[in-house]
Amino acid sequence: KAGVTQTPRYLIKTRGQQVTLSCSPISGHRSVSWYQQTPGQGLQFLFEYFSETQRNKGNFPGRFSGRQFSNSRSEMNVSTLELGDSALYLCASSLSGVSYNEQFFGPGTRLTVL
Amino acid sequence: EDQVTQSPEALRLQEGESSSLNCSYTVSGLRGLFWYRQDPGKGPEFLFTLYSAGEEKEKERLKATLTKKESFLHITAPKPEDSATYLCAWEERLGPSGGSYIPTFGRGTSLIVHP
Repeated sequence: KAGVTQTPRYLIKTRGQQVTLSCSPISGHRSVSWYQQTPGQGLQFLFEYFSETQRNKGNFPGRFSGRQFSNSRSEMNVSTLELGDSALYLCASSLSGVSYNEQFFGPGTRLTVL
Repeated sequence: EDQVTQSPEALRLQEGESSSLNCSYTVSGLRGLFWYRQDPGKGPEFLFTLYSAGEEKEKERLKATLTKKESFLHITAPKPEDSATYLCAWEERLGPSGGSYIPTFGRGTSLIVHP
């Protein structure tokens, strides 16, 4: 069965712009989580969506937002980009999201902010 | 405050040289400790979940164990294809009495296995 897909894979933006990243979970998975990975901070949780509702949110500013559609596909948006937003953005899906056990990660979107 | 530390940060082994990676924690009410493997330029790949002290799980050359203070990922007779960064993760409680948890990842151990 197909894995988690993320688009685009690479993105270059300039400071002040906004960006939207997309994630398609494994078929049947209803929970989608987003993460930011940087060399300095490691892998950090952004937020999780389940059945179109945000259930949990990490410690990131309000410039980071997301949504989930009825088919479980999810998007995350970053407004007013800063240089420090350059990172690998990963999404992960799981069946129920009762816990964060056994998440399946996509390949990530590499965002570079100039 | 909940804290998890992975060690060593980096490990170089010769093919066939067994070793262990450590994930030590001081997490109150641990709900589960997870191990993931991440190859360069890819997303993490789930390996194991451990829930209680004494629990062990195995997969090919990998064996994960859990005590009340730490988890070990034992690698027996590693091969070059085992080279990757190994991450441990847990669920961190949001607030002192909240019922919500968020996944939190350690900084990882970068393993290189030389042929």
